[in-house]
Amino acid sequence: NAGVTQTPKFQVLKTGQSMTLQCAQDMNHEYMSWYRQDPGMGLRLIHYSVGAGITDQGEVPNGYNVSRSTTEDFPLRLLSAAPSQTSVYFCASSYSAGQTEAFFGQGTRLTVV
Amino acid sequence: GQQVMQIPQYQHVQEGEDFTTYCNSSTTLSNIQWYKQRPGGHPVFLIQLVKSGEVKKQKRLTFQFGEAKKNSSLHITATQTTDVGTYFCAGQNTGRRALTFGSGTRLQVQP
Repeated sequence: NAGVTQTPKFQVLKTGQSMTLQCAQDMNHEYMSWYRQDPGMGLRLIHYSVGAGITDQGEVPNGYNVSRSTTEDFPLRLLSAAPSQTSVYFCASSYSAGQTEAFFGQGTRLTVV
Repeated sequence: GQQVMQIPQYQHVQEGEDFTTYCNSSTTLSNIQWYKQRPGGHPVFLIQLVKSGEVKKQKRLTFQFGEAKKNSSLHITATQTTDVGTYFCAGQNTGRRALTFGSGTRLQVQP
């Protein structure tokens, strides 16, 4: 079982570059979310989606865009990378929003120089 | 907005000692979840508590949800080196369709 798959695992970007972090799940979960993890800050919610075509902002949405065209995929776009976006990014999915177990991907370690 | 605080941030124990981490929310929670993240890994779900005053056990781990549904704790009895990692609580408040994570407690166990 694949679960939640994130790509790439590691990425180095230059300031101002754009990129998309991919996230796919094969569990037919309606709810998907993106978190960033910084030392001492825990996991902070960037964006989330409660189903295909529906997205909403989390705690730290600035500098990130998302879309949800299918149930399976929930990509995260950085339009113009900044050093402050250096972090570890986790995608998660669950059957319902916050009421059932969340399954996390392996994470993407992003460095912006 | 909702805040979920966890203490301590870090704890170093000798193998065999007990360990407790506490989670406090600024708002009433509809439920609370606990996750464990091994070094270099991703968060993995441990348990969910829903009822006021609920207590659940998983082998050496005991989870409690406060009567007011604003705090929770995780207690590990007789720690082992396999318990090493960061423990996060995560709560959903009654009005928001998202999980808010605490800052985590990093546990180090010395053999």
